[in-house]
Amino acid sequence: GAGVSQTPSNKVTEKGKYVELRCDPISGHTALYWYRQSLGQGPEFLIYFQGTGAADDSGLPNDRFFAVRPEGSVSTLKIQRTERGDSAVYLCASSLGRNMNSPLHFGNGTRLTVT
Amino acid sequence: DAKTTQPPSMDCAEGRAANLPCNHSTISGNEYVYWYRQIHSQGPQYIIHGLKNNETNEMASLIITEDRKSSTLILPHATLRDTAVYYCIAQYGNKLVFGAGTILRVKS
Repeated sequence: GAGVSQTPSNKVTEKGKYVELRCDPISGHTALYWYRQSLGQGPEFLIYFQGTGAADDSGLPNDRFFAVRPEGSVSTLKIQRTERGDSAVYLCASSLGRNMNSPLHFGNGTRLTVT
Repeated sequence: DAKTTQPPSMDCAEGRAANLPCNHSTISGNEYVYWYRQIHSQGPQYIIHGLKNNETNEMASLIITEDRKSSTLILPHATLRDTAVYYCIAQYGNKLVFGAGTILRVKS
């Protein structure tokens, strides 16, 4: 079946611009996660949604980062006033349940480059 | 959240079993052990997870010690396509916290 879909696969933007990254989770998955991965490192947690609400946003680095999931399905990660340090691969994952006995399924990410 | 320790890299001959170790000495009773792998330019791929008992699926086997302080991921017949970064994660709560993982190189 269809997996987690992320668009665009690549995004190049200039410093100071605003970007939106989209995630389409697996159908029926209530939990959705955003991670960020820099070169040579493991993925870093950003935010977790259960349904429409952000249950844990402790990983967002600062107030330039914001994410929404208005209908409990598609999610958008929004980054304002981008900085070169925001360059990374942004990964989205979804899972079935509320507890950690449900594996996360990841998309292939959006590679963001800030010039 | 328990911290995990993995060797930075390992080599394995094609066709042989790959045994990837992981230490999680501070794991609590409610924390699952998860294994993921990541091939270049792709998102992490779920392999297997367990709580107390050993687990097996079509991809791998997971052996968890009785005291749960360590575990081993076993790929029974490694192929060149199994070359990847393998992450061992011990997690409770609502998120997975990734470490640096083990780079497994399968060689012909």
